Amino acid sequence: AQSVAQPEDQVNVAEGNPLTVKCTYSVSGNPYLFWYVQYPNRGLQFLLKYITGDNLVKGSYGFEAEFNKSQTSFHLKKPSALVSDSALYFCAVRPPSSNDYKLSFGAGTTVTVRA
Amino acid sequence: DAGVIQSPRHEVTEMGQEVTLRCKPISGHNSLFWYRQTMMRGLELLIYFNNNVPIDDSGMPEDRFSAKMPNASFSTLKIQPSEPRDSAVYFCASSYWGDEQFFGPGTRLTVL
Repeated sequence: AQSVAQPEDQVNVAEGNPLTVKCTYSVSGNPYLFWYVQYPNRGLQFLLKYITGDNLVKGSYGFEAEFNKSQTSFHLKKPSALVSDSALYFCAVRPPSSNDYKLSFGAGTTVTVRA
Repeated sequence: DAGVIQSPRHEVTEMGQEVTLRCKPISGHNSLFWYRQTMMRGLELLIYFNNNVPIDDSGMPEDRFSAKMPNASFSTLKIQPSEPRDSAVYFCASSYWGDEQFFGPGTRLTVL
């Protein structure tokens, strides 16, 4: 069975500073990995995904994530955080099986960017 | 495209009443997912469909919950009878096969 861990419940950074949200996963085979963001009273929005290829994936709103197979990690990063990046972030994983589309989500990390 | 559409956006009902949540997935998507989100349990997958067929309903809490997908453009999640512990935000999401999922705005359910 696959699983995701987001070790930090909260991340606080100052505007303009780098932002990192951590994610580690457990899955059999090569994973499909996703990051989503949720703003208050909204549904989850897709940010980026890793399926195969380059370990550094670029996504929406200036976010990127690096797939590290040896450390089974997929950390989300942004070089310069904005106040508007304050939200709840979810990492998700699913196995590469062509028959199983079920995502396993982490518990989420609340990001607060202070002005 | 309008994205995933859910109705109603808010539902307040009394314990014992039947509740029906509705979802219209993105046109062309063939996978549909129902989730529930609460502070205590986070985001939980209840059930998902591929090509209108239920694939995994292991997350459905109990027999009070049922879901249908009569065609590619419509799905319902029904709770009968509802209980206060069912209070949560229910999300519908759709995807093209196993690609990224697109979430609807959610239905906030309050059972008194």
